[in-house]
Amino acid sequence: DSGVTQTPKHLITATGQRVTLRCSPRSGDLSVYWYQQSLDQGLQFLIQYYNGEERAKGNILERFSAQQFPDLHSELNLSSLELGDSALYFCASSTLITGGTDTQYFGPGTRLTVL
Amino acid sequence: DQQVKQNSPSLSVQEGRISILNCDYTNSMFDYFLWYKKYPAEGPTFLISISSIKDKNEDGRFTVFLNKSAKHLSLHIVPSQPGDSAVYFCAASGMDSNYQLIWGAGTKLIIKP
Repeated sequence: DSGVTQTPKHLITATGQRVTLRCSPRSGDLSVYWYQQSLDQGLQFLIQYYNGEERAKGNILERFSAQQFPDLHSELNLSSLELGDSALYFCASSTLITGGTDTQYFGPGTRLTVL
Repeated sequence: DQQVKQNSPSLSVQEGRISILNCDYTNSMFDYFLWYKKYPAEGPTFLISISSIKDKNEDGRFTVFLNKSAKHLSLHIVPSQPGDSAVYFCAASGMDSNYQLIWGAGTKLIIKP
């Protein structure tokens, strides 16, 4: 158990809909990262928050947005969903601000299926 | 453009033998490299890392080798155990990526009894 929790585990929805994925980081971690993993591909970095502020953006679509709340939990909002958005969405947390040189602890992921 | 490549989608190794997983990268600005391991229905778990100032880092049964001139790194697992069966991801970071991780597609390692 990494200490990072994600809800829900599975989500099935229709095209055009909007969903919210939730992540609670490990206790004490200030950085939260969101990743997307499509079938048979590596993880694609979407966005990082550090202590409530957006720290870095990756390949995040304009239809997607995220935020980190004062209690450090984070939400990823996906809107106007398309079939191609079906993927595993992982949240990770770490202590430091520099995600690439710090161990990231991953949640179990949310599997999103868009029909 | 894939900056981090794991060219073997899967690898099968006999229990007790050495497992060697390979990773190539194209960006010479990467200076930190990590291996993560992933079991089904779980998130990736950090395994071992290496910075570009080193060419080898060892942690128990796991050793990572870095060849900067070839832009190649490898993960050696000796001896391989059944619990090592998982998907292994190579990831890299550097100034160019704003120190965010760039991931390979993963190699599925199967340890045969």
